[in-house]
Amino acid sequence: DVKVTQSSRYLVKRTGEKVFLECVQDMDHENMFWYRQDPGLGLRLIYFSYDVKMKEKGDIPEGYSVSREKKERFSLILESASTNQTSMYLCASSPWGRGDTEAFFGQGTRLTVV
Amino acid sequence: AQKITQTQPGMFVQEKEAVTLDCTYDTSDQSYGLFWYKQPSSGEMIFLIYQGSYDEQNATEGRYSLNFQKARKSANLVISASQLGDSAMYFCAMREGSTDSWGKFQFGAGTQVVVTP
Repeated sequence: DVKVTQSSRYLVKRTGEKVFLECVQDMDHENMFWYRQDPGLGLRLIYFSYDVKMKEKGDIPEGYSVSREKKERFSLILESASTNQTSMYLCASSPWGRGDTEAFFGQGTRLTVV
Repeated sequence: AQKITQTQPGMFVQEKEAVTLDCTYDTSDQSYGLFWYKQPSSGEMIFLIYQGSYDEQNATEGRYSLNFQKARKSANLVISASQLGDSAMYFCAMREGSTDSWGKFQFGAGTQVVVTP
């Protein structure tokens, strides 16, 4: 069974903290994505990666960075957490060159910054 | 600019009735894919159905069908014979690209569906 696993389901952090959200997939997918989900706004892409050490900015990269040192792992980093980064974060993966294949999602991390 | 538009923030539907969720998209690419996902209150994203831009027939998967009108750039999801378990948020998504170069998945704002007995 294919799987995308996010390290935490719920996370509470303080303003100014450096926060790491981890995502691991076991499907050998080249593409990995980080989305942020907010009510009324749907899913907005923060960053995506199509290969190890490769990354591209999405629609809302400000305040975030990413790391992909291994194919199966894609980390989202909040350099200095702020209250407006309180949100649901979703990681996804998909295989390279398969436009007819869906993105596979992790279970989501609900982050609260206080 | 918004690439995927879902104009219905929320809908109520009675059990056993059919419901249509609207989705319009904006692209100048000839090659793209359209996807629908279901997100129950548990938060997981469940893939429902896919339609390719070159597919001539509307996609169907069990009780789900996609009403694809290419000229109108619409990809509406139809759920037949609604069940209480269909209560969820539904997202429409698009992916542009061709051959081995496919871009990011772009999502709409979602439609919250509540199925009533």
